[in-house]
Amino acid sequence: DIQMTQSPSILSASVGDRVTITCRASQSISSWLAWYQQKPGKAPKLLIYKASSLESGVPSRFSGSGSGTDFTLTISSLQPDDFATYYCQQYNNYPGTFGQGTKVEIK
Amino acid sequence: QVQLVESGGGLVKPGGSLRLSCVVSGFSLSDYYMSWIRQAPGKGLEWVSYMSSSGRTIHYADSVKGRFTISRDNAKNSLYLQMNSLRAEDTAVYYCAAFDLRADWGQGTLVTVSS
Repeated sequence: DIQMTQSPSILSASVGDRVTITCRASQSISSWLAWYQQKPGKAPKLLIYKASSLESGVPSRFSGSGSGTDFTLTISSLQPDDFATYYCQQYNNYPGTFGQGTKVEIK
Repeated sequence: QVQLVESGGGLVKPGGSLRLSCVVSGFSLSDYYMSWIRQAPGKGLEWVSYMSSSGRTIHYADSVKGRFTISRDNAKNSLYLQMNSLRAEDTAVYYCAAFDLRADWGQGTLVTVSS
């Protein structure tokens, strides 16, 4: 199985900060990577698919980049609604393995 | 509009069985890769089972292999997960999800395995 290593595990930031989360695959996954936001008690919400495509309705402050094995999720200006846990997932090869998550908390 | 709705979760004793259902609308099961994904309390996301769009390819996580069975009924637009020999460590919210270029998820159903 492809391993997904996400960092950092916890990120403390303030409103207005630029935030970057990274995800590394153990082998090339082309651009088959998704980013999700999850809040407590809720299902994961798709933010980015195909590494850099913004899901409909998602604010443009979210962006994704990368291909092959290294990927990044960037929030250009952190908003109060963005404090949540973020997961990456590869769906190039099945099973579609997940990163361990990054909790973005208030600094 | 794509929608996935899971049901069938609940409280079950260790060694018991449950059958989860996922009714989909807005697309055909035969057009998407379908997966069951779970999340134990306070933990991350864990892929459980996968069925290809053709239905011919099926995979299971090692933790559930031999105990869980994924299936689908195209006529009913439904995906299923038969879970047997349940253990305490199977306690989780179970999500069904559909993948092609992007992904769509249901809202999840809670399975609690406890005596």
